[in-house]
Amino acid sequence: GAGVSQTPSNKVTEKGKYVELRCDPISGHTALYWYRQSLGQGPEFLIYFQGTGAADDSGLPNDRFFAVRPEGSVSTLKIQRTERGDSAVYLCASSPLGLHTDTQYFGPGTRLTVL
Amino acid sequence: GDSVTQMEGPVTLSEEAFLTINCTYTATGYPSLFWYVQYPGEGLQLLLKATKADDKGSNKGFEATYRKETTSFHLEKGSVQVSDSAVYFCALYMDSNYQLIWGAGTKLIIKP
Repeated sequence: GAGVSQTPSNKVTEKGKYVELRCDPISGHTALYWYRQSLGQGPEFLIYFQGTGAADDSGLPNDRFFAVRPEGSVSTLKIQRTERGDSAVYLCASSPLGLHTDTQYFGPGTRLTVL
Repeated sequence: GDSVTQMEGPVTLSEEAFLTINCTYTATGYPSLFWYVQYPGEGLQLLLKATKADDKGSNKGFEATYRKETTSFHLEKGSVQVSDSAVYFCALYMDSNYQLIWGAGTKLIIKP
């Protein structure tokens, strides 16, 4: 079946602009996660959705970052007033139920570059 | 807080050599443990996992055993191939929060 997909695969923007990154999880997965990964590091948790609600947004670095999942499937990560330090690969993952024993399935990522 | 420490890379081996990549963790409860692999130009994919103490995860000739007494989950393979060249990440997931906590990754280079 189809895996997790993310669009765009690459996004180049200028400092101060607004960007939206999209994630399509595996059909039927109720849990959806956003991470970001800087070069040479492991992924860093941003936010977790269970269904339509954000069950844990403790990883969002500041109020410029926001994410939604209005119908419990597709999710959008929104970044306002982008800064050069936001440049990273943004990863989306989904899992069947969000249990700690579940496997998280990752998308290919969106590489964000802020000039 | 909860954390994962894995050996720094790159690790360079010859084909058919024995591989060990060390991973230790700190956790206040009883996590599930995972090894993910990232091949060049590809996304993260699960290699293996173990969800309770003494469990052994295995896949593609790789193995790791969940050792609660030493808080470790070392990755091993008896005979590596060039195609195993990738970055390997150890991670844990607590039942008390909702996020994978990751090590920094170990780059593995296998020479023919």
